[in-house]
Amino acid sequence: EPEVTQTPSHQVTQMGQEVILRCVPISNHLYFYWYRQILGQKVEFLVSFYNNEISEKSEIFDDQFSVERPDGSNFTLKIRSTKLEDSAMYFCASKLSYEQYFGPGTRLTVT
Amino acid sequence: AQSVSQHNHHVILSEAASLELGCNYSYGGTVNLFWYVQYPGQHLQLLLKYFSGDPLVKGIKGFEAEFIKSKFSFNLRKPSVQWSDTAEYFCAVNARSNAGNMLTFGGGTRLMVKP
Repeated sequence: EPEVTQTPSHQVTQMGQEVILRCVPISNHLYFYWYRQILGQKVEFLVSFYNNEISEKSEIFDDQFSVERPDGSNFTLKIRSTKLEDSAMYFCASKLSYEQYFGPGTRLTVT
Repeated sequence: AQSVSQHNHHVILSEAASLELGCNYSYGGTVNLFWYVQYPGQHLQLLLKYFSGDPLVKGIKGFEAEFIKSKFSFNLRKPSVQWSDTAEYFCAVNARSNAGNMLTFGGGTRLMVKP
C-alpha cells in the first residue's frame, strides 16, 4: 500500500539555524499538508498546498515558514530561523479526495 | 473556525471492557468527521470517517462511531477492547465547503488497555 514518507525522522538543530523537513507524498495525490504537534499538545494545522501554491495557512505559519514542491515528488517545509518553540513533531499529509494520509513525522528539536 | 474537544484525556480499561470516547465539535456548516489512531511509535492512521449517509459508521479493528448532528458529537465506540488497542485516539473534523479541507484535531485521548 502506498504511504507518505518523511525524512529525517529526527532533526536536532541550534536556535537560529535553518531546517528543511522533507516529505514524499503518495504519488497521485493532489493536496499536501503540514501539521505539527508540540509535546503534550494538539495536532495543529500549518499549511495546505494545491496546484503548486499555498491554499490555506494558519496563524502559526508566519514568514519564517515556507513550503515548496521542487520536483513534483518531494514536498518540503523550511523554517528559516528556528526558535526553541519550534520544537515539535512535524507531520506531512497528502490526499486525493477527502481522506488525508499521514507520514510518520519528523521530530524537530531546537536547542 | 471549527474546534474539536475530546473530553477524556486518559482512559484505562481492562481487556474485554467496552469503550466509548467522546468527541464534540463546533462549526456552523457541514463537516466531515474522522477518528485517527496513533499506536506507540507509529504515525497517525485513519480508523474511520463520516461524510454523509448512515450516521453509524464502522471502521477497522471493530471500531464504530455515531454522528449525532443535534449534539455535534461523533463518539467512538468498541464493544470489547484488546491490549493491542493501547494507543492515542484523535477526533478530527474538516469543513466540507473548504476545498483545502484542513483538519482540526481534538486534544487526543490516551487509551491504556490492561491485559
